[in-house]
This record gives sequence, C-alpha cells and structure tokens, in this order.
Amino acid sequence: LAKTTQPVSMDSYEGQEVNITCSHNNIATNDYITWYQQFPSQGPRFIIQGYKTKVTNEVASLFIPADRKSSTLSLPRVSLSDTAVYYCLVGLPNGGSQGNLIFGKGTKLSVKP
Amino acid sequence: AAGVIQSPRHLIKEKRETATLKCYPIPRHDTVYWYQQGPGQDPQFLISFYEKMQSDKGSIPDRFSAQQFSDYHSELNMSSLELGDSALYFCASTGQGVRETQYFGPGTRLLVL
Repeated sequence: LAKTTQPVSMDSYEGQEVNITCSHNNIATNDYITWYQQFPSQGPRFIIQGYKTKVTNEVASLFIPADRKSSTLSLPRVSLSDTAVYYCLVGLPNGGSQGNLIFGKGTKLSVKP
Repeated sequence: AAGVIQSPRHLIKEKRETATLKCYPIPRHDTVYWYQQGPGQDPQFLISFYEKMQSDKGSIPDRFSAQQFSDYHSELNMSSLELGDSALYFCASTGQGVRETQYFGPGTRLLVL
C-alpha cells in the first residue's frame, strides 16, 4: 500500500483558503486518493476522492498533478467548525484490496477566529 | 438519513472481563468494518465482513472475535480485556453504489480499568 506523508498540523484563520498537501510517491496505477475528516471523538467522515486532475464537490476540491505523486486538499473559506484532523488515504476506491482503510498520520487543522 | 448505529456508546470494564460491541450498518449496506482508535492515535483497521463472511483481517488480537449476522449487523467480542484495549471502537459500513465511501458510526468508547 502506498505510504502517505502529510503535515502534522496547520493553523489558519476563519475565511481563509486552506491547502493540505499529501505526498504519496509510490502510488499504484489503480490507486485512488481519498480524504477523510475527523472531529474529536467522532468517526471519520468522507470528504472527497479523486484519481487525477481536479475534483470538486460542495465541501472541498482535490488537486492531483499528472504524476499523481502528491495531492492537495483545498478547503475554501474555512470556519471554526473545520477544525479537525484530515487524513489522506491512497488505495483502491473503497480503501484497499479488501476494502479496509489504512489511516496514516493525519493533519490537525486548527482554525482561529 | 439513517446512519450507522453503535451500542453501547460508552462501556467501562475491568481487566480480564469480556465486552461485546454492536454495530448496525446503514440499511442495505452489506459490508461492515471495525476500527480501533487509541488515545491520540490514528484509526487502525481490525476486521471486516462482506455478506456475512469475513473479508479481511487487520491488527485484531486473538482475544477478539467478530461476526456479521443475517440482518447484517455485526458484533465485536472482546475477551480477557487489557488496559491497552481502552480506545474508541468505530464501525463503518458501505454498500452497492457507494463503495468509494465508508460511513462511520459514532463509536463506542471502551475504558478498561
């Protein structure tokens, strides 16, 4: 399974755009990139998934360069409620050969007023 | 919309006791995953079931067992509890049409004294 590397933590202010970059140098051809968000004492929540180029939904955008060795989660105009841990996962669309998700070290985003 | 239900939400046990955690997936979801998240740690995959059969096994101790029943709910049985078993236990489910996403429950917080 491709290993991912993300910043341990990031700080931002309300209203700013936040970009969290994830490195996955040994991503496999069939791997997708998926981001989950987790609030304290809650289960992770799916944010976005992509394979290449750019994906956008109502919550975030995901930018994936042509070589797919990294990806950037973009959160537009964050609010205090976006303070959470964000996980980048790389694998088959539903998480792995058997579906399980391999969580690495996530990025703790702190949004300040 | 219906979500994943886990019970109990909180559980306190003593060392060497047993515990049973229950998970009720979203209706029509056929796959259940169990994850363990220790204090300050990232979620770790334990075991998964698809159509009532075990589909994958992660870092689940031999003291733990699980199964999925005919109504697709799942139970995680934990015996000879140790202090280190204190953690949040999440169940997630997925199904046909939404396999890129795992929907997580609120978790069961287990404290072993």
